[in-house]
Amino acid sequence: AQRVTQPEKLLSVFKGAPVELKCNYSYSGSPELFWYVQYSRQRLQLLLRHISRESIKGFTADLNKGETSFHLKKPFAQEEDSAMYYCALSRQGAQKLVFGQGTRLTINP
Amino acid sequence: EPEVTQTPSHQVTQMGQEVILRCVPISNHLYFYWYRQILGQKVEFLVSFYNNEISEKSEIFDDQFSVERPDGSNFTLKIRSTKLEDSAMYFCASGGSSNQPQHFGDGTRLSIL
Repeated sequence: AQRVTQPEKLLSVFKGAPVELKCNYSYSGSPELFWYVQYSRQRLQLLLRHISRESIKGFTADLNKGETSFHLKKPFAQEEDSAMYYCALSRQGAQKLVFGQGTRLTINP
Repeated sequence: EPEVTQTPSHQVTQMGQEVILRCVPISNHLYFYWYRQILGQKVEFLVSFYNNEISEKSEIFDDQFSVERPDGSNFTLKIRSTKLEDSAMYFCASGGSSNQPQHFGDGTRLSIL
């Protein structure tokens, strides 16, 4: 079975501080991992996918198969990063997404 | 940038009534999905649809649920006889190919009274 765990429901950091949102997964095959973000009163938007290996809005995430993790990181948080962040997993191909419960990130001025 | 659109944004229905949630996927997308999120819980997969048929469904997607792509542009989710526990936010998503990520609509908030 596929499962995604985001251990922190809430995370609050100060502007300029580093941010790390944790995501762990369980899946026996080769997963695709994603981070989706939902800003206030907006739709779920794709932030990152692990196969792209790119940095979006200063965020990066590395797939660690040994630790089955896909933590989201940003070295210097900005106020506009405040949002709900969801880690999600799918089997390779156009498959269903399995979501974590989400982490609400608040950046304090 | 093209978007997935969902209507209505909020639907209030009496328990036992039928409800149809509508979605217009991005026009050149081929893969379609419905998810739901009960308040305070995680986003859960309901069903995926490709080539005019269901490709995968979850345990939640029982006989009360059905999906249809009636006219080549709309993608609908029907709940035949709603229950209180069907109250949730329902998200439609679409994807262009097996290599492309899913794009989500704004969601329809369904409230069952």
